[in-house]
Amino acid sequence: QITLKESGPKLVKPTQTLTLTCSFSGFSLSTTGVGVGWIRQSPGKALECLALIYWNDDKRYRPSLKSRLTVTRDTSKNQVVLTMTDMDSVDTAKYYCTHSSNCTGAGCLPHQHWGQGIQVTVSS
Amino acid sequence: SYELTQPPSVSVSPGQTARITCSGDALPQRYAFWYQQKSGQAPVLVIFDDTKRPSGIPERFSGSSSGTMATLTITGAQVDDEADYYCYSTDSSNYHVVFGGGTKLTVL
Repeated sequence: QITLKESGPKLVKPTQTLTLTCSFSGFSLSTTGVGVGWIRQSPGKALECLALIYWNDDKRYRPSLKSRLTVTRDTSKNQVVLTMTDMDSVDTAKYYCTHSSNCTGAGCLPHQHWGQGIQVTVSS
Repeated sequence: SYELTQPPSVSVSPGQTARITCSGDALPQRYAFWYQQKSGQAPVLVIFDDTKRPSGIPERFSGSSSGTMATLTITGAQVDDEADYYCYSTDSSNYHVVFGGGTKLTVL
């Protein structure tokens, strides 16, 4: 059974750096085709994919936020960490981590499993 | 940056067929994926690779793609299918991923 859980601060101040941890079980990020993603959703808004990290350490970032985002993995701990610098009120959102599999070509199942999400508010 | 365009809302009566479209310039070369998000819940993948259903997804959900448009079809929509639906795909370089703006499906 695949599970993911996001953890981190629920409240950050403007200009601070947000660090979120995705702790997962039921799969290994060393397995070919596996990826972990970070997706956020502001209240009443659409989903935004922020970052992806794959089994081969390939990393993808949302182009408009690339300068502010870093995603890393700790395979031994089954964790993926997202850092986002220079937080602003527009970054207030629910942040989800997700599991993707079979992503070596056709048949990829992107974001098939989701964590419960963590609500992050940016306010002074 | 690459964009996928969806209608903001679609409304059908129970038992009717609901069609939700997603347009994007790279869709002729790239697969479309669809997610269902019910109120207060995390999204669920309902279609991958344009037309395929993950295990556990009801047969009334189907997908198609032609040219620059992908379509999610719900045949015999049920009240329980009321949700926001998002398409998802990659740009022409197959490097950057993007979600559409979402479509609110009302079944009543």
